[in-house]
Amino acid sequence: QVQLVQSGGEVKKPGASVKVSCKASGYTFSHYGITWVRQAPGQGLEWMGWISAYNGNTNYARKIQDRATMTTDTSTSTGYMELRSLRYDDTAVYYCARDSPAGTSDLGYWGQGTLVTVSS
Amino acid sequence: DVVMTQSPLSLPVTLGQPASISCRSSQSLVYSDGNTYLNWFQQRPGQSPRRLIYKVSNRESGVPDRFSGSGSGTDFTLKISRVEAEDVGVYYCMEGTHWPPRYTFGQGTKLEIK
Repeated sequence: QVQLVQSGGEVKKPGASVKVSCKASGYTFSHYGITWVRQAPGQGLEWMGWISAYNGNTNYARKIQDRATMTTDTSTSTGYMELRSLRYDDTAVYYCARDSPAGTSDLGYWGQGTLVTVSS
Repeated sequence: DVVMTQSPLSLPVTLGQPASISCRSSQSLVYSDGNTYLNWFQQRPGQSPRRLIYKVSNRESGVPDRFSGSGSGTDFTLKISRVEAEDVGVYYCMEGTHWPPRYTFGQGTKLEIK
C-alpha cells in the first residue's frame, strides 16, 4: 500500500533553515511527483510547490519561491522540502502528498504532517 | 492567479440531513487536455487532508457514495446526501488546472453537527 512517512517535528529560530523529509513506499517513486502543502495553526491549506521525481522539474508558490528548495532522492524514495530564512509566520504543519509526474493535482495520498515551529 | 471562493464557510447540519458546499473559481478550470482538475478534500480534526473527489465528480476509492461532486467551468458543488457524525471537519476545494503546476485551495468550509 502507498505510504508517505514524514520526518518529526522541528523547532527553529527565526532566520534558520529547516529540511523536512517525506519517505515514500508502496509505489515506484520515480514515476510520480510530490506536492508540498502547509497549514498554519487554525488556518487553511496553502500550496507550496511541486516536484517531479521523474525529471526533477519544480514549481514553487510565489510567496516562498526565493526561500524554498524541493528535491527528491530516487535511491531512497524520499522527497525533501527545505525552507530558509524562517520567519514566525512559517510556523505550520507541512504535508507532502503524492502527485502525478505532470503535476495535475493527483493528491490521493498524504503524509502525516510535520509541525515546524519558529520561535526565539 | 486563480481565486477559489467557497460558501458557506460554516455549515451546521442536522444528522441525516443533506449538505451542500459551493466552490467558484475566478477563471475556467478546463485544462488544455480537456479535463477539469477540481478536487475536494476532507480534513477531520487532527488529521491530514483526504481526497474525496477528483476531476469534479470522480469519487476516491473508499469514499462513501453519499458524497458527490458536480459542476463545470467555474462553478462546482460538493454534496453530502445524508450527513453522518464522521463527516465533521473542514472541506476544501482545490484546483490544479495550470502548467507549470500552481494549485489553489478554497478557504475551507467547516461542517459541524447542529
